[in-house]
This record gives sequence, structure tokens and C-alpha cells, in this order.
Amino acid sequence: GAGVSQTPSNKVTEKGKYVELRCDPISGHTALYWYRQSLGQGPEFLIYFQGTGAADDSGLPNDRFFAVRPEGSVSTLKIQRTERGDSAVYLCASSPTGYSSGNTIYFGEGSWLTVV
Amino acid sequence: EDQVTQSPEALRLQEGESSSLNCSYTVSGLRGLFWYRQDPGKGPEFLFTLYSAGEEKEKERLKATLTKKESFLHITAPKPEDSATYLCAVREVRAGGTSYGKLTFGQGTILTVHP
Repeated sequence: GAGVSQTPSNKVTEKGKYVELRCDPISGHTALYWYRQSLGQGPEFLIYFQGTGAADDSGLPNDRFFAVRPEGSVSTLKIQRTERGDSAVYLCASSPTGYSSGNTIYFGEGSWLTVV
Repeated sequence: EDQVTQSPEALRLQEGESSSLNCSYTVSGLRGLFWYRQDPGKGPEFLFTLYSAGEEKEKERLKATLTKKESFLHITAPKPEDSATYLCAVREVRAGGTSYGKLTFGQGTILTVHP
């Protein structure tokens, strides 16, 4: 597609449930990023993939959060045992590569997660 | 650890009233300072990347400038459609000279332009 695509756009789940959020990056982009944005705040880094491997997962808040990118394209962010504090917009982004400082990072519209 | 601070938190302007937004940063080595625009309910939209002190970039009514400690986003004769949250972010150089993939964002400046 022309841009970064994220599904679902909105998700309401009950506390304790498992959630998966999907990201389809711009075609040909090898770098993929997940960010989380709370109301009134800037995006907060979670994890960065270069190809299939997680090059930097230092932003994942705890072991309830996990992300995969098995074929180097689509990525899934997985959240186990959701808590109310997980409610936020989860943004996915991609860039042509991750290694060059010149690469622009393009964002999707986000998945709005509400844990009730 | 990277720190990015934006000011003011919110700015209200009349149409045509020029102003500037500030982004102060603290990094061990800068590999790019990025400006994004974010509309409500949308993802951030890329505006500019600046790499070295003294660099300037322009797009329509926006001009971004960079010093060693801060960046400014100047808005000339703004229109109501410029109303949005403006985010800045930095990419840091890591040991060995490569850059981290991630960007570290400030909290944003909410700009409202009244007709």
C-alpha cells in the first residue's frame, strides 16, 4: 500500500485479556518501529525491527509486551494480560532502512487501545 | 539518556500572527532532528529533518532551524489549517558511529490558529 497500515484502528478489551495489533509497513521498507502514545504526550519508543530481527527492544515496558516480524514485512505487537494502564494509541512506523541517519520514518494512523 | 523538551506546551495565534516553537535537546551525539505534525486522531506526518547546526529547511509557511542545543520551527503568517500538534524528535549516534534506529520525541506543542 501507499502508507503504513495498522489494524484494528480501535480496540476495546477487558482487563486481563490478550490483544494483537497488526502493522503492514510501506512496501520495501526494511525497518519497522512500534511506538506508544498517551494523551497529551509524544510517542514513546517500544521496539525497532531491522528485517526479521528486533534490533532494539529496550522500550518494551515489561514481559507482557512482545512483537514479531517473521517474514520481514508485517509485524504484530502482542500484549498479554492487559492492564488499564496499557490504554494508549499504538503507532507503527517504517523507514527504508534503519541504519542511515537520513532515513525518514513514516507513521501509520495508529491503533487506539482501550482496556476497561 | 536523551532529553527532548518542547515549549510552549500550547500556543494560540491569530491568523497571520507569526511565531516560533522551540525544541531543546540533550544527546551525546545528534544524528538528526526531526519535526512532525500531528492532527487529532492521526499519526505523525513528517515535515523536516535537520542534521547540523546552522542548517535551515522551509516548507510553505514553516521554516525549521537548528543550533547545537535547540531547534526552532518558525511559522510565518499562519492559517487556521496550520492548527495541529507539532512534535520534534532526535536520533542519537551510538558507540561505533552508527545511529540508533529509534527517535526520541518531545511532548509536543499544540498550535491553534484562530481566523
